[in-house]
Amino acid sequence: DVKVTQSSRYLVKRTGEKVFLECVQDMDHENMFWYRQDPGLGLRLIYFSYDVKMKEKGDIPEGYSVSREKKERFSLILESASTNQTSMYLCASRDRGEILGYTFGSGTRLTVV
Amino acid sequence: GDSVTQMEGPVTLSEEAFLTINCTYTATGYPSLFWYVQYPGEGLQLLLKATKADDKGSNKGFEATYRKETTSFHLEKGSVQVSDSAVYFCALTKYNFNKFYFGSGTKLNVKP
Repeated sequence: DVKVTQSSRYLVKRTGEKVFLECVQDMDHENMFWYRQDPGLGLRLIYFSYDVKMKEKGDIPEGYSVSREKKERFSLILESASTNQTSMYLCASRDRGEILGYTFGSGTRLTVV
Repeated sequence: GDSVTQMEGPVTLSEEAFLTINCTYTATGYPSLFWYVQYPGEGLQLLLKATKADDKGSNKGFEATYRKETTSFHLEKGSVQVSDSAVYFCALTKYNFNKFYFGSGTKLNVKP
């Protein structure tokens, strides 16, 4: 069964910390995505990557950066965590030619205190 | 810009009741439409899709028909089960499928 694995299920970090959220997929997919999920707002795209070392901003990139050094791994970085970044973060991947949509990870619930 | 609007939740139904969750969209061009489901504690899973007007997507007893004239993609199921309790997201994408627009989600609670 194909998998997208997010390294942490729950995280608690302090304001101002640098935070790394890790995502690994085992499907050899070219495209990977980071979303945040907030009540009443649905899912909003932060960044995506269509190849190793390639990235594009989504709708809400401010305060975030990403890294994709290997095809299977896509990291989301909060440069200086703030309380308004408390959220559920979802990673997803998709094969370039696939129109069936994304495969999602189980999510990381981040709380910034 | 492109967007998806879903009915507010939560929706609470008794087992075996009929389900409708409304979804309408705004998009230029020819979007593809999706329903995703998120069970408690899990990520999103693709439930069904439709890629052109008048297509009907179906899976696990759920159905949705792509209606271009009303810009809608309502989710229906004839008889819900307790195990259908989850959050349902309507979504659209187009062109190279690299960007999805999600609705805000509708929580469904099914009581025995």
